[in-house]
Amino acid sequence: EIVMTQSPATLSVSPGERATLSCRASQSVGSNFAWYQQKPGQAPRLLIFGASTRATGFPARFSGNGSGTEFTLTISSLQSEDFAVYYCQQYTNWPLTFGGGTKVEIK
Amino acid sequence: EVQLVESGGGLVQPGGSLRLSCAASGFTFSSYEMNWVRQAPGKGLEWVSYITSSGSTIYYADSVKGRFTISRDNAKNSLYLQMNSLRAEDTAVYYCARPLGDFLTGYFAFDIWGQGTMVTVSS
Repeated sequence: EIVMTQSPATLSVSPGERATLSCRASQSVGSNFAWYQQKPGQAPRLLIFGASTRATGFPARFSGNGSGTEFTLTISSLQSEDFAVYYCQQYTNWPLTFGGGTKVEIK
Repeated sequence: EVQLVESGGGLVQPGGSLRLSCAASGFTFSSYEMNWVRQAPGKGLEWVSYITSSGSTIYYADSVKGRFTISRDNAKNSLYLQMNSLRAEDTAVYYCARPLGDFLTGYFAFDIWGQGTMVTVSS
């Protein structure tokens, strides 16, 4: 099983600041990698797929980078609606696995 | 509108059974592989099960293998999860999720999710 490790667990950021979230895979997943955003009481929402392609509806301040085992999600200037939990996921091998999540909270 | 709507959750005693349903609309359900993903209260996401568009190939997480059964009825645009021998650790919100494309294409991120149905296993 590929283990996905996210860091940090919690990120405290002021609105307008930059946030960088990390995810590490225990073995290479190529670019078969996604980020999801989840707000309280809601289903997850696909944010990034293929490691760097933004999903429909998300603005350009969200960007994804990486391949293989190291991935980052950058939010260039945090807006109030961006405070949420972010999960990474690999979809190269079964079982599909998610990271434990990073909570982005208001500082 | 592309939509997935889960139903069938509820309170069940340990050892009991429950059948979840996921009704799909707004897209050609029979063309898509489908998945179940769950989330325990206050916890992260856990993939549970996968089924190909025809139902010919099925995978399960080790945590549910031998107890859960995924199935689909393409004529009814519906996905199911039969859950038997339920345990307290199965308590979670269960989501059905549709990927962008087939697993083999590499476009397998989940772009459509239902609202989830809560399953509580407790005596």
